Amino acid sequence: DGGITQSPKYLFRKEGQNVTLSCEQNLNHDAMYWYRQDPGQGLRLIYYSQIVNDFQKGDIAEGYSVSREKKESFPLTVTSAQKNPTAFYLCASSIGPGAKNIQYFGAGTRLSVL
Amino acid sequence: SQELEQSPQSLIVQEGKNLTINCTSSKTLYGLYWYKQKYGEGLIFLMMLQKGGEEKSHEKITAKLDEKKQQSSLHITASQPSHAGIYLCGADLNGANSKLTFGKGITLSVRP
Repeated sequence: DGGITQSPKYLFRKEGQNVTLSCEQNLNHDAMYWYRQDPGQGLRLIYYSQIVNDFQKGDIAEGYSVSREKKESFPLTVTSAQKNPTAFYLCASSIGPGAKNIQYFGAGTRLSVL
Repeated sequence: SQELEQSPQSLIVQEGKNLTINCTSSKTLYGLYWYKQKYGEGLIFLMMLQKGGEEKSHEKITAKLDEKKQQSSLHITASQPSHAGIYLCGADLNGANSKLTFGKGITLSVRP
């Protein structure tokens, strides 16, 4: 089945620790995205990548880092610089800029701070 | 201020009733995408609108983009418990279609 896989489903972070959220897609999409969702806040864009080895900051990139070494993978690292990391994180992918750039989403990772 | 405003914030309807929710932008909507989300899950794509005056339907859900391309509405006919969830609109606000800006979402509850 084609789709987007996020892992783990739940993740706990200790003070001062970096954690990495995984996102893999087998849809052969060029573009991938990371969003953060907080209660009552909707989705806010953290980083996005339109092609391998290239990515751009979104609206709330501070305290996060990404890499795009492979087309199918776009891992997100939540660094210790992110002081309020507790949130629901969603990864999405799409074919890329164009007339019908529909984003398809994974099931999400819920990150909590211990 | 929020670039995309969704209204109402939440809605409770009796099963079988019709309802309409809205997504209003302060900028031109070059592309408008409606998604549905169950709490704690990912977003499911519903419909995409691009042209002013465009209307699309899927089962009992109809979405419209107004002529001025600054507001979209989502109408559900004869609501069912399966329609319950969070409805989010996402928009291309710069015409490049490289990223979307999302509204805060509308929580819909349907009473049996």
